[in-house]
Amino acid sequence: NAGVTQTPKFRILKIGQSMTLQCTQDMNHNYMYWYRQDPGMGLKLIYYSVGAGITDKGEVPNGYNVSRSTTEDFPLRLELAAPSQTSVYFCASSETGTGGRSYNSPLHFGNGTRLTVT
Amino acid sequence: LAKTTQPVSMDSYEGQEVNITCSHNNIATNDYITWYQQFPSQGPRFIIQGYKTKVTNEVASLFIPADRKSSTLSLPRVSLSDTAVYYCLVGPLPNDYKLSFGAGTTVTVRA
Repeated sequence: NAGVTQTPKFRILKIGQSMTLQCTQDMNHNYMYWYRQDPGMGLKLIYYSVGAGITDKGEVPNGYNVSRSTTEDFPLRLELAAPSQTSVYFCASSETGTGGRSYNSPLHFGNGTRLTVT
Repeated sequence: LAKTTQPVSMDSYEGQEVNITCSHNNIATNDYITWYQQFPSQGPRFIIQGYKTKVTNEVASLFIPADRKSSTLSLPRVSLSDTAVYYCLVGPLPNDYKLSFGAGTTVTVRA
């Protein structure tokens, strides 16, 4: 059981290049999320998904795109990379609160992708 | 979503108890309080969650007063490995789970 796996761990992009950050989870979680964390700051939600085929914007979606074709995978696409997108990107997943549960399902995070745009 | 306020940083020594208080004055009836821990170069890790009174697990305790406008994470007998950033999140059930993390509290444990 690997949990949430993110690739690559590190990447340097030139301004204007594009790339896809990969995220996969093996816990059969319906909910998946992408966050970014700038140095010394908290995590900001970019996009999230409540199930395959369903995605929605978070707090800072501009410059990013996502897709969710399977339960396991939730890739994040950066088009036309800019220096402002230099950050650490975290993917997370969680269960839904169905089946009689009344707790707030905790997030399971990957170890992040450190992206530098120069 | 309820706004939270927590101290920016706290210092402690090995073996001491660390208490981090989070204020959430506009917490809603169906909101839960969740704490995460983040080590450098890692993603946050779930520590504990509660709704009211006291919750305890093998890592920490969470104290929530009756009015639920604040909560306190208690780390007993900390060690150097407890040096991390601790985040307090307040939010409803997963159907509305769009939370962003604040800056958290940086806890530094010294020998």
